Amino acid sequence: DAKTTQPNSMESNEEEPVHLPCNHSTISGTDYIHWYRQLPSQGPEYVIHGLTSNVNNRMASLAIAEDRKSSTLILHRATLRDAAVYYCILRPVYGGSQGNLIFGKGTKLSVKP
Amino acid sequence: EAGVAQSPRYKIIEKRQSVAFWCNPISGHATLYWYQQILGQGPKLLIQFQNNGVVDDSQLPKDRFSAERLKGVDSTLKIQPAKLEDSAVYLCASSSSGTASHEQFFGPGTRLTVL
Repeated sequence: DAKTTQPNSMESNEEEPVHLPCNHSTISGTDYIHWYRQLPSQGPEYVIHGLTSNVNNRMASLAIAEDRKSSTLILHRATLRDAAVYYCILRPVYGGSQGNLIFGKGTKLSVKP
Repeated sequence: EAGVAQSPRYKIIEKRQSVAFWCNPISGHATLYWYQQILGQGPKLLIQFQNNGVVDDSQLPKDRFSAERLKGVDSTLKIQPAKLEDSAVYLCASSSSGTASHEQFFGPGTRLTVL
């Protein structure tokens, strides 16, 4: 399985942008890059995903390096509610059991008021 | 739309007892997943259903864990007999499709404590 590497923890100030990095040097051409986050005492929730191009949605932006070996999740203005564990996951495009989510330990983001 | 429902939210049992968890996915979602999340770790997939058929149960400890999804809607996960190391949060997720471009929606989980 393709692996991702994320920092164990990061800190941010409220209302400032946050850049959460993810390295995936062994990514294959058919792997989607997914981001999920898990707030305390809740199940994970989907944030964003992309394949090659940068992506934006109401929650965040995903910047994908040209060689696809790294990506960055960008929260444009962190709020206290964004304090969570953020998971970067590679997911093969094939689906079925090969398309399952394999969670690592993620990055624990703390947001200071 | 209503999210993924799970019950109970909390369960405390003694080792060697049995326990069952229930999940009701989002209406119309064909794919259903059960995950186990041990404290301090990311969720680990136990089993994936597509409608009422099993797609992947390679990480399900089949000597003690079982799961079913009757009629392709609700699902139950059972542990019999429980061990101390089964203490974890059990998460249910559903998706409209099992393909990689479709997001999974997670329920709040059931926190199991085995004494």
